[in-house]
Amino acid sequence: TQLLEQSPQFLSIQEGENLTVYCNSSSVFSSLQWYRQEPGEGPVLLVTVVTGGEVKKLKRLTFQFGDARKDSSLHITAAQPGDTGLYLCAGDAGKSTFGDGTTLTVKP
Amino acid sequence: DTGVSQDPRHKITKRGQNVTFRCDPISEHNRLYWYRQTLGQGPEFLTYFQNEAQLEKSRLLSDRFSAERPKGSFSTLEIQRTEQGDSAMYLCASSKTPLYNEQFFGPGTRLTVL
Repeated sequence: TQLLEQSPQFLSIQEGENLTVYCNSSSVFSSLQWYRQEPGEGPVLLVTVVTGGEVKKLKRLTFQFGDARKDSSLHITAAQPGDTGLYLCAGDAGKSTFGDGTTLTVKP
Repeated sequence: DTGVSQDPRHKITKRGQNVTFRCDPISEHNRLYWYRQTLGQGPEFLTYFQNEAQLEKSRLLSDRFSAERPKGSFSTLEIQRTEQGDSAMYLCASSKTPLYNEQFFGPGTRLTVL
């Protein structure tokens, strides 16, 4: 079983702060996806990273894939209340494996 | 809206009853996945189809669970003789034959077993 560990499990910050959440594994993944999920809804795909060392930016969100393709990070700059949600990473080495997520709360 | 749809959105049933959920994927997507998610956890893989073929089923999946995708379009997930431990959000996702397995999720079906 390929496990993805996400940290921290919970994060509560004030609007305007920066933050980084992590997704780590001992397994190598051919690709890794980040999703955001709001209560009572399904996850929404944010980005896919596929190349070791790759960095992708989506407005205030910066995603990085580790050189060895075993880990990834998500950095949010100047967080806003609309960023609140559960951030999930999912790795694919033939079958998707999801981490348990980081629950982010951004207070106004 | 051409996203993934699931029906019903909520289901309350009594222990021992059978329930069936439906998922309609994005029309051009040939892969369809079922997941189960409980509070504080990420989605747990249950099974997936490529077209009408069920390619993989979780070893953790009880034989009370069965899924079908008879014409390679919509899919159903049936749970027989429900137990309280089956209470969860059941998520469906679809993707194109994956280069990177980017999945698009439906809103889920929330099952409560009393």
